[in-house]
Amino acid sequence: QVQLQESGPGLVKPSETLSLTCTVSGGSISNSYWSWIRQPPGKGLEWIGYIYYSGTTNYNPSLKSRLAISVDTSKNQFSVKLSSVSAADTAVYYCARDDYGAGYFGLWGRGTLVTVSS
Amino acid sequence: DIVMTQSPDSLAVSLGERATINCKSSQNVLSSSNNKNYLAWYQVKPGQPPKLLIYWASTRESGVPDRFSGSGSGTDFTLTISSLQAEDVAVYYCQHYYTAPYTFGLGTKLEIK
Repeated sequence: QVQLQESGPGLVKPSETLSLTCTVSGGSISNSYWSWIRQPPGKGLEWIGYIYYSGTTNYNPSLKSRLAISVDTSKNQFSVKLSSVSAADTAVYYCARDDYGAGYFGLWGRGTLVTVSS
Repeated sequence: DIVMTQSPDSLAVSLGERATINCKSSQNVLSSSNNKNYLAWYQVKPGQPPKLLIYWASTRESGVPDRFSGSGSGTDFTLTISSLQAEDVAVYYCQHYYTAPYTFGLGTKLEIK
């Protein structure tokens, strides 16, 4: 079955750029919407943004000025870059699939903790 | 942004009893074009990713036990677990997807009494 796996540095320095990749295995990245969602320690879930396999994106306005989501269909991967990070960006970052473009998420990666600290 | 407010923050229910979690959206999430409520429920257990339970406010995801049900329309929604099992201990979140940015409630922690 289709699985998602996040990868990237677990520690990022303040003011630097957080970069994560989600690898889709067991299926194609085509014909689905792919999102990033995060959960700061002890807090709720925050939708970061999505990308369609064709490259169309939609970002959370609260992060838009610092955010870039991209897709590499040849590698069956999509990625997120968040610039100028601070301690407030410390969170577990999940990648997730929205099968029908409706906006709910039926498949999630296991998540990866990213800590922003010097 | 649409704000999702869940209640209660935490809930303790005896095994076999009913658990009810409420979710209120700051704006209507019922679409007049397709008469669907853009509301989902997730279950989160420690160390695990969220699991989709319910979408379109009342449609159960494949494989989800039928003791889980969703109801409500417009701005007021409810997740009900008809007979609590030990494996249902988790934090439950509602999420709207009416329009971006999609937002989640702050969660309801469900425990065994």
